[in-house]
Amino acid sequence: NAGVTQTPKFRVLKTGQSMTLLCAQDMNHEYMYWYRQDPGMGLRLIHYSVGEGTTAKGEVPDGYNVSRLKKQNFLLGLESAAPSQTSVYFCASSPTGLGSITGYTFGSGTRLTVV
Amino acid sequence: GQQVMQIPQYQHVQEGEDFTTYCNSSTTLSNIQWYKQRPGGHPVFLIQLVKSGEVKKQKRLTFQFGEAKKNSSLHITATQTTDVGTYFCAGRTGGSYIPTFGRGTSLIVHP
Repeated sequence: NAGVTQTPKFRVLKTGQSMTLLCAQDMNHEYMYWYRQDPGMGLRLIHYSVGEGTTAKGEVPDGYNVSRLKKQNFLLGLESAAPSQTSVYFCASSPTGLGSITGYTFGSGTRLTVV
Repeated sequence: GQQVMQIPQYQHVQEGEDFTTYCNSSTTLSNIQWYKQRPGGHPVFLIQLVKSGEVKKQKRLTFQFGEAKKNSSLHITATQTTDVGTYFCAGRTGGSYIPTFGRGTSLIVHP
């Protein structure tokens, strides 16, 4: 099993450009999440999904959109990138949202720089 | 909204010393999870605690959940350089499917 796979791993964008980050999981998990991690700020939830075709806003959703057309994929879009969106982005998945003995499984992250 | 505070933010220790990080919530938690993130890596799940007063051990790591289910701690005995990284707690209240992560404690071990 590959677990949670994120692409790309690194990306540099110019201000105003758009891009999509792809997250794929092969564990048949219902819940998927997008977090951003900035120094000293921990993990902040951007958007999440509780199942195929559903999405919901997290703590810091502004400037991002998401889609979950297939259960195994969760896409994060930046419509018009800003330097404030320079961060490390992590995708995660879990079997349910009620707490699991296996916790969240995280991808290896995407390091995004907006110049 | 729910807040999960984690202290300290950083901790420097000499190899062989003990280390403890604390996680405190403003509300009662249904469960709490702990994760470890190595430098340059991604968070990796360590353990979940559910019961009031629960204590679990993983080799040199001891995890505790407070009696009131509002706080938790992770204690590492005799740290090693392999323990370097950031330790996060994530707590969930009964009314939410989504846990709140603490900001993490970065452990630096000096050989």
